[in-house]
Amino acid sequence: DIQMTQSPSSLSASVGDKVTITCRASQYITNYLNWFQHKPGKAPQLLIYSASRLHSGVPSRFSGTGSGTDFTLTISSLQPEDSATYYCQQSYETPRTFGQGTKLEIK
Amino acid sequence: EVQVLESGGGLAQPGGSLRLSCVGSGFDFRSYSMNWVRQGPGKGLEWVSSITTISSITSTSDVNYADSVKGRFTISRDDAKNSVYLQMNSLRDDDTAVYYCARDRCCGTLDLDYWGRGTLVTVSS
Repeated sequence: DIQMTQSPSSLSASVGDKVTITCRASQYITNYLNWFQHKPGKAPQLLIYSASRLHSGVPSRFSGTGSGTDFTLTISSLQPEDSATYYCQQSYETPRTFGQGTKLEIK
Repeated sequence: EVQVLESGGGLAQPGGSLRLSCVGSGFDFRSYSMNWVRQGPGKGLEWVSSITTISSITSTSDVNYADSVKGRFTISRDDAKNSVYLQMNSLRDDDTAVYYCARDRCCGTLDLDYWGRGTLVTVSS
């Protein structure tokens, strides 16, 4: 199975900050990489698919880059509603595997 | 508006069974592959199972399972009811989790674009 490793595991930032979360795959996955936002008690939300494509309705402050094994999710200007846990997921092959999550807290 | 809604969670004993249901609305259900994903207490997301659309040639769907549930869980779908199911047998303590139903974005991709809020399964004696 492809292992997905996210960093950091948690971070705290202020409103307006630029935030970056990284994800590394244990093998080459081209651009088959998705990013999700998950808030407690809510449905996970797809933010980015195919490494850099913004899902419908997702604010443009979210962006994704990367290919091969290294990927990045960036929030350009952090908003209070961005407090959540963020997960990467490889869609290269079955079984689909997720990173362990990055918990983002607003200071 | 695309929506998926899970039901059927609850308390089961080790070795017992439960059947989860998921209803989709706001989209052409028969045209999408569907999935179950779970999150154990204090843990991250784990993909559990997927089922493709029904082939017009064979009248069957392709299914896949995580190794952790293979042989114990069975996924199925009923397009007439816009529903997908997860039959869970031989339940273990580590099957305790919130189970989410999620749609694949399209056309053979493994992208989960719409999810439900989940249903809680607790396995305990």
